[in-house]
Parts: sequence; C-alpha cells; structure tokens
Amino acid sequence: EDQVTQSPEALRLQEGESSSLNCSYTVSGLRGLFWYRQDPGKGPEFLFTLYSAGEEKEKERLKATLTKKESFLHITAPKPEDSATYLCAVQAGNTGKLIFGQGTTLQVKP
Amino acid sequence: NAGVTQTPKFQVLKTGQSMTLQCAQDMNHEYMSWYRQDPGMGLRLIHYSVGAGITDQGEVPNGYNVSRSTTEDFPLRLLSAAPSQTSVYFCASREGYNEQFFGPGTRLTVL
Repeated sequence: EDQVTQSPEALRLQEGESSSLNCSYTVSGLRGLFWYRQDPGKGPEFLFTLYSAGEEKEKERLKATLTKKESFLHITAPKPEDSATYLCAVQAGNTGKLIFGQGTTLQVKP
Repeated sequence: NAGVTQTPKFQVLKTGQSMTLQCAQDMNHEYMSWYRQDPGMGLRLIHYSVGAGITDQGEVPNGYNVSRSTTEDFPLRLLSAAPSQTSVYFCASREGYNEQFFGPGTRLTVL
C-alpha cells in the first residue's frame, strides 16, 4: 500500500536554529516527490519536486533531498515567516495520484 | 492568470441539504482533483479527472459526485450533506505529472 509518513508532527524552533523535517514513503513506482507549504486558512503552495534518489533542490533557506525511502526538508537559519505547515506528497507511477502525508507544523519564534 | 478559484469560501449546511462547490482553473490543465482536509488526516483525494468527460474516484468518494463538461470547470456535488462531511475542501489542477496548483479552499460546516 502506498503510504507517506511525516515527522515530527510539530516543531518549534528559535529564529536561526536550523533543523530538518522528515518524509518517509512507500510507493509503487515513484514518479515524483513534492513538498508544499501551507499557511493557515490557505491552500498548499508548491515548493519543490524531486524525481530520483540523490537529487537536491534549494530555495532561500529551504533545501530538499531525496533517498529511496525518504526525503528531508532542511531549514537553515529559519525566520518567523517560515512558520507554516509543510506537506510532503508522493506521486505513484501507475496512477499519477498524489498521496499526502499528514504534515509538519513548524513554528519559528523570534 | 487567476490560477485555481473556488467558491464559496465558507458554507454552512443542515443535514440532508445538497450543494455544489465550484472550482475553475484558467491554466488549461487536463488533470483536476478534489481533496478534503481534516485535522490529523492530511489531504485525502475525493474525485479526480484526467480531462473533460473523464472522472474517477479517489480515496473517499462516498457522498460526493463530480462531472467535467469543460477543461476549466470541475464542480463537486454533495448529494445529502452529513456532519461527517464537515471539512475544508481543496480543488487542484496540474498539467501531466507536474506540480499541482491548489485553490484557496472552501470551509464547509454541516449541522
């Protein structure tokens, strides 16, 4: 069964305190792994797509990496505006459907 | 481009009432989806469409109907609302297997 698990469920950081969010997955034929950011009361906003193990993508303070079993979203020197829920999703190759994890809610305190 | 738009933003229904959640996109995307988001459950796929005239069920389709008569529009119909359908509903679209773009959501409460 295709499955995505994110950890931790919630993370509280001080401004400038770097950390990582984890996304573990099992899927039949990974077509792509997606990271989204969701602010309260809004729809998810696309961040990154990773397609193969070893691939990395960066955007400002965020860096996403991918292995055969998991992905990490590294946050370097976070700022309060990075506070949001971060969602991970995998796309199964046979159906193209996206399977989402439950998300990690990040709070960055000044 | 407006992207993906959804109406209404908020809705309160009584048990047994029916309604349609509207979704439209102006990006000419073939693939459109409806999700519901509940606390602790993540985003769950209700129905999806790979093009006009083609729809299929997702993970939680019971109690919902969809149709796709045009590329732009993908309405979601609640046939007889139940309190278990209280949720936030998101519509999304994408081109091929690329990233999905989400609408702003509809917050539905069923009393």
